[in-house]
Amino acid sequence: EIVLTQSPVTLSLSPGKRATLSCRASQSISIFLAWYQQKPGQAPRLLIYDASNRATDIPARFSASGSGTDFTLTISSVEPEDFAVYYCQQRASWPLTFGGGTKVEIK
Amino acid sequence: VQLVESGGGLVKPGGSLRLSCVASGFTFSRYSMNWVRQAPGKGLEWVSSLSSDSVYADYAGSMKGRFTISRDNAKNSLYLQMDSLRAEDTAVYYCARAPYYYDSVHYYFDYWGQGALVTVSS
Repeated sequence: EIVLTQSPVTLSLSPGKRATLSCRASQSISIFLAWYQQKPGQAPRLLIYDASNRATDIPARFSASGSGTDFTLTISSVEPEDFAVYYCQQRASWPLTFGGGTKVEIK
Repeated sequence: VQLVESGGGLVKPGGSLRLSCVASGFTFSRYSMNWVRQAPGKGLEWVSSLSSDSVYADYAGSMKGRFTISRDNAKNSLYLQMDSLRAEDTAVYYCARAPYYYDSVHYYFDYWGQGALVTVSS
């Protein structure tokens, strides 16, 4: 099973600042990684697929990169609505797995 | 696109429950479908996936042999039969669609239902 490790666990930022979230895989997963955003009481929302492709209607301030074992999600300038928990997920092999999440909170 | 789960509730350890998910707004029969769960205050955990034609199904290790995923394309519905339930199965269960990109199924989750809460407790 591929383990995804996200860091940091919590990221405290002021609105307008840049957010950089990391996801590391226990073995190479090529580009087969997605990122999700989840707000309290809501279902997750797909942000990024295949490491760097924004999903439908995702704002351009969200970008992502990486391949192999190291991946990054960047929010160029954090908006108030971006404070949430972010998860990565791999589809390179079964079972599908998620990272433990990074909470982006208001500083 | 809309996914609406139902069938959640309180069940005793060792009991059974069947979740349903009704889809609308897209051609259900064309898409692979999935269940993902989230224990209270915890992260996301993939449960099971089923191909559009029901030929391929897979399960997370701790659910193999206890959970069964199925679908009825004529009814635009996805199901999860959960048997031998344990306290650790307590979670919100989400139905989610796997999208197509570049004409192939990508086992990510692009649309999610609102979730169905399953509580396993005596």
